[in-house]
Amino acid sequence: NAGVMQNPRHLVRRRGQEARLRCSPMKGHSHVYWYRQLPEEGLKFMVYLQKENIIDESGMPKERFSAEFPKEGPSILRIQQVVRGDSAAYFCASSQGTGDTEAFFGQGTRLTVV
Amino acid sequence: AQSVSQHNHHVILSEAASLELGCNYSYGGTVNLFWYVQYPGQHLQLLLKYFSGDPLVKGIKGFEAEFIKSKFSFNLRKPSVQWSDTAEYFCAVITYSSASKIIFGSGTRLSIRP
Repeated sequence: NAGVMQNPRHLVRRRGQEARLRCSPMKGHSHVYWYRQLPEEGLKFMVYLQKENIIDESGMPKERFSAEFPKEGPSILRIQQVVRGDSAAYFCASSQGTGDTEAFFGQGTRLTVV
Repeated sequence: AQSVSQHNHHVILSEAASLELGCNYSYGGTVNLFWYVQYPGQHLQLLLKYFSGDPLVKGIKGFEAEFIKSKFSFNLRKPSVQWSDTAEYFCAVITYSSASKIIFGSGTRLSIRP
């Protein structure tokens, strides 16, 4: 059973381009979380999704950021018109559900905006 | 809204010293509690978790944590640290409800002097 897979591991984008980050949850997991980690800061919650539904996006910036978790395929975090301040490590986690279950993390995608 | 506080931003210890990292959460209902560790350049890994039962939880690599409900605390301890414990440690909480996200503390960086 492969763990949570994120790709790419490293992504370089110029200001104004789009960044697409992908996350394939562990087999059997239907819940996905996205977190952003900035240098010297902790993990900031961005969005919580179940298949085809956004459950909680209270941590997502109102503009330029969007996330989806389609019925088939990976979860996608999309950042449009990237700016230097978007440079960070983006981690995805998956779990079987709520209650007595833990979340497993992917290796993260390090986004650098130049 | 629930939150997690980690009191120490950076802790520096010598090898063989004892460790205690503080974690407090704010939520009056039932919670599940976690400690994750992030070694340099790596993703988050679960150290230990508390769902119910014995409030003293044993984790991997000699770590343990104690859930004290009256104090809303879940402090991480290790009797004797090693240089390889150098990492960032994150406390996390998830409320026991149908649509909860995992909330992380800001993290504590642990540096061990050889």
